[in-house]
Amino acid sequence: AQSVSQHNHHVILSEAASLELGCNYSYGGTVNLFWYVQYPGQHLQLLLKYFSGDPLVKGIKGFEAEFIKSKFSFNLRKPSVQWSDTAEYFCAVNAQGGKLIFGQGTELSVKP
Amino acid sequence: NAGVTQTPKFRILKIGQSMTLQCTQDMNHNYMYWYRQDPGMGLKLIYYSVGAGITDKGEVPNGYNVSRSTTEDFPLRLELAAPSQTSVYFCASRLQGSNEKLFFGSGTQLSVL
Repeated sequence: AQSVSQHNHHVILSEAASLELGCNYSYGGTVNLFWYVQYPGQHLQLLLKYFSGDPLVKGIKGFEAEFIKSKFSFNLRKPSVQWSDTAEYFCAVNAQGGKLIFGQGTELSVKP
Repeated sequence: NAGVTQTPKFRILKIGQSMTLQCTQDMNHNYMYWYRQDPGMGLKLIYYSVGAGITDKGEVPNGYNVSRSTTEDFPLRLELAAPSQTSVYFCASRLQGSNEKLFFGSGTQLSVL
């Protein structure tokens, strides 16, 4: 069965620090991968997605993610975080014909 | 376009009661989903549907039922509500294809007491 695991439950960074949030999935076949962000009191918003091609994908707000097939990973990165990046981040995997599974989320707190 | 419309926004149930959460989308999306969101647990998939007449279990289907008689509607039924079903429920939809953007309803905050 497909599953998604996010390693960090809560990450605290200072502004301008670099960010990397881990995401691993379990599924042996072709996958589509997503990162969503949820700001306090708001819905989930799509940050970026990977379907095929270049494993390094760039999203909105300076975020990027790298798909490493051999490691079943899709880690999210940002070179320099801002206070406004404080939010909860969710990795998601679409594998078996439309079934979209989310990870448990990582809460990011950025100190000004 | 209204997008994904989810009702009600809030509801309090007593243990053992039943209710239906309504979800309608007007974007002609073929995929529809029901998730529950609990603190620290992320979104858990309850049921999903890839088209009218087709539904399938997600990660946490026990205690819930769904139907998909039309492309637009995907109601979630709670039978014999239990305190463990206290959660925030989100309906979502998307169109199969290269965009794959997921559209969410505004959520239903359900308390079972």
